[in-house]
Amino acid sequence: DTGVSQNPRHKITKRGQNVTFRCDPISEHNRLYWYRQTLGQGPEFLTYFQNEAQLEKSRLLSDRFSAERPKGSFSTLEIQRTEQGDSAMYLCASSLQDPEGYTFGSGTRLTVV
Amino acid sequence: LAKTTQPISMDSYEGQEVNITCSHNNIATNDYITWYQQFPSQGPRFIIQGYKTKVTNEVASLFIPADRKSSTLSLPRVSLSDTAVYYCLVADGNNRLAFGKGNQVVVIP
Repeated sequence: DTGVSQNPRHKITKRGQNVTFRCDPISEHNRLYWYRQTLGQGPEFLTYFQNEAQLEKSRLLSDRFSAERPKGSFSTLEIQRTEQGDSAMYLCASSLQDPEGYTFGSGTRLTVV
Repeated sequence: LAKTTQPISMDSYEGQEVNITCSHNNIATNDYITWYQQFPSQGPRFIIQGYKTKVTNEVASLFIPADRKSSTLSLPRVSLSDTAVYYCLVADGNNRLAFGKGNQVVVIP
């Protein structure tokens, strides 16, 4: 197992387009998290899954954002009608039930032009 | 979630011990104190976690006083590759982590 994998690493899109990111967590981890990080700031929580159930969503997650984890394994984060303000690093992390820390992926850097 | 306060930045010379402080005055009984390290263009990496007193692993030591309102991350003999942002967080281990802006540590040759 090579840790948490995120694809793509970079995405440039035009404003108004839809984008989808994928996260493959560590296989035995049942918890999966999405965070967003802008320049000079710490990561901000977006949403959290335990197995396939989405248990918490941040107010940052507007109606244009949707996340899924259909089989409790990989997860996707979709942003519809992207805006320039969506430009950020999108980080995925996974953990066990009683985590001694999360394992983060390297992130997907989104640039909306 | 309990909020943490850290210095914005600090410099240290290579080979020195670096102590990074964090205040968490509103820490709850169930909260653990966790530290992460982040390099540019990478996700944060877990360093160490503790509840009270002292915790040590192969990378760092974490000192937590009895009142748990603060903590200190100690990095022994830093090298240039330890230049990174260090985040202190408190959480109960069940849900999301709340990151602040972190502490930018720069190691100088």
